[in-house]
Amino acid sequence: SYELTQPPSVSVSPGQTASITCSGDGLGDKYVSWYQQRPGQSPVLVIYQHNKRPSGIPERFSGSNSGNTATLTISGTQAMDEADYYCQAWGSNTARVFGTGTKVTVL
Amino acid sequence: QVQLQESGPGLVKPSQTLSLTCTVSGGSINSGDYYWSWIRQLPGKGLEWIGYIYYSGSPYYNPSLKSRVTISVDTSKNQFSLKLSSVTAADTAVYYCGRDVAATGMVDYWGQGTLVTVSS
Repeated sequence: SYELTQPPSVSVSPGQTASITCSGDGLGDKYVSWYQQRPGQSPVLVIYQHNKRPSGIPERFSGSNSGNTATLTISGTQAMDEADYYCQAWGSNTARVFGTGTKVTVL
Repeated sequence: QVQLQESGPGLVKPSQTLSLTCTVSGGSINSGDYYWSWIRQLPGKGLEWIGYIYYSGSPYYNPSLKSRVTISVDTSKNQFSLKLSSVTAADTAVYYCGRDVAATGMVDYWGQGTLVTVSS
């Protein structure tokens, strides 16, 4: 089965840039989405189709996808960005697959 | 604004069948643009995609759960449902329903989630 691997945690200082990677075989050929999940809340879509932002998502969230790695970048990180982040892609045979998740801590 | 709401028992006994329904409001489930998904999150763990269904009734399941999962749709009620058979404590999780954009594979709307505990 298809797997997506993320680092368990990323730490960032307020105002700095956080980068979260998502690795999977041939990921660059698939559509990648990213979700933010704050404690006790449902996930929220923050990036889709590699680098598009839904309405209402701040410009500081951006995405890229190439080769076997997709990256979510949070520029000028704010305390409110502290959350878990999950990548998601289409797996084989149109299955949906989520990454292992990354906890972002704003120190 | 599309809204999704999960409903169903919060407690299920081991070996029984977990049954949940997702009610969609603010939009029709009868759209060829979307799949209707179930996703779960085990306590303290990540997200796990369970499966989805098209409005016409064509389901697709996570291979790891396929033998125990049934997803169905009731377009007259604008609802879709999840059944997970032969549950164990390992199936204790928050279950989410979501709207999955077929062309891009993203889940753009999520329900609030419902905790289902498997215990005798």
